[in-house]
Amino acid sequence: QKEVEQDPGPLSVPEGAIVSLNCTYSNSAFQYFMWYRQYSRKGPELLMYTYSSGNKEDGRFTAQVDKSSKYISLFIRDSQPSDSATYLCAMSPNSGGSNYKLTFGKGTLLTVNP
Amino acid sequence: NAGVTQTPKFRILKIGQSMTLQCAQDMNHNYMYWYRQDPGMGLKLIYYSVGAGITDKGEVPNGYNVSRSTTEDFPLRLELAAPSQTSVYFCASSPTAETQYFGPGTRLLVL
Repeated sequence: QKEVEQDPGPLSVPEGAIVSLNCTYSNSAFQYFMWYRQYSRKGPELLMYTYSSGNKEDGRFTAQVDKSSKYISLFIRDSQPSDSATYLCAMSPNSGGSNYKLTFGKGTLLTVNP
Repeated sequence: NAGVTQTPKFRILKIGQSMTLQCAQDMNHNYMYWYRQDPGMGLKLIYYSVGAGITDKGEVPNGYNVSRSTTEDFPLRLELAAPSQTSVYFCASSPTAETQYFGPGTRLLVL
């Protein structure tokens, strides 16, 4: 089983839809959970990060972590064509000096159609 | 503030050639990283550094070398390029693990 699994999509939705992006993981040591957005031919940019379990909201974006199920989600409300990108989940453990090494999912390609 | 800069943007190499991918950051971050991204394969960590003079291997270090003589610069050296090294290379820096800032990438084609 891979450490981090992410459905590559592609996912295509109409403008205004609620989008749900998900990752599962197998390493129970992961404590930091991040979502990156990557536009075509650009570098990834950090969208949100959470520590341990719970929810975090930032504008139209909500990140959820369920450590009991080893499952994380990113919800996008009122999706816009500008949200069209690849979304990467990333995780790291909280074990002393190793928490700067991230493990990434393969990314989900999202297209929001006007 | 330029953030993380990478040069060149694109390069074609012949098998067996060598080259250095340049990476610089102006945010005074201690941590720096090199990743490669292959289509449909996500980001794989090649090497990382926790400060000037300190580097360590990541998940896929074979065929690469790094050095970190200053806080700002973290070049990646490819010796004896092989077709398997065709990829997009990203450099990143961070003050903490969860806030890595990525450069725009270098596209490398080895023929």
